[in-house]
Amino acid sequence: ETGVTQSPTHLIKTRGQQVTLRCSSQSGHNTVSWYQQALGQGPQFIFQYYREEENGRGNFPPRFSGLQFPNYSSELNVNALELDDSALYLCASSLGGQMNTEAFFGQGTRLTVV
Amino acid sequence: QKEVEQNSGPLSVPEGAIASLNCTYSDRVSQSFFWYRQYSGKSPELIMSIYSNGDKEDGRFTAQLNKASQYVSLLIRDSQPSDSATYLCAVNRGPAGNQFYFGTGTSLTVIP
Repeated sequence: ETGVTQSPTHLIKTRGQQVTLRCSSQSGHNTVSWYQQALGQGPQFIFQYYREEENGRGNFPPRFSGLQFPNYSSELNVNALELDDSALYLCASSLGGQMNTEAFFGQGTRLTVV
Repeated sequence: QKEVEQNSGPLSVPEGAIASLNCTYSDRVSQSFFWYRQYSGKSPELIMSIYSNGDKEDGRFTAQLNKASQYVSLLIRDSQPSDSATYLCAVNRGPAGNQFYFGTGTSLTVIP
């Protein structure tokens, strides 16, 4: 167990709806990154939050947004859901803004858009 | 060109053999590299990190890094059926950690 927890574990939404996914980081970690993993692919970096501010973003549209709270937990929000948003959403927590730092994943949220 | 490339496999080895997994990356300024193991339906689990050229050993696992060739590898000695999983190579994409490019993963099957 990594100490990183995500909720919910599974979710089914209808196209056009909005969804919020949650992540609690490992104790002592102040950085959370979110990744999207489609079936048969490696995870794709969505964005990172460090000390409650967005600290980097991958190639995802603005309808993917997030928050980090003072306790370093984080939310991923996706608006106007599309069928292609169906994927495993992973959060990973780590310490600090340093390059050489290990990151640990939560168990993921499986989102299905119908 | 993809930022991180791995052979998708599947790679099959007999129990007790050495499994060799390879990864190349395109961004020459990348400084930190990671191997994750992912069982079907589960999230990635960190196996090894490596930051300097050369070898790094941890139990049955050895990571090798060659920055000049932009190449990272993972060797698994004395492979066990429980090692059967997809192995993901991750390369850090920027000056901050935990912003990875991932390969598509190599599927490994260890045959008893």
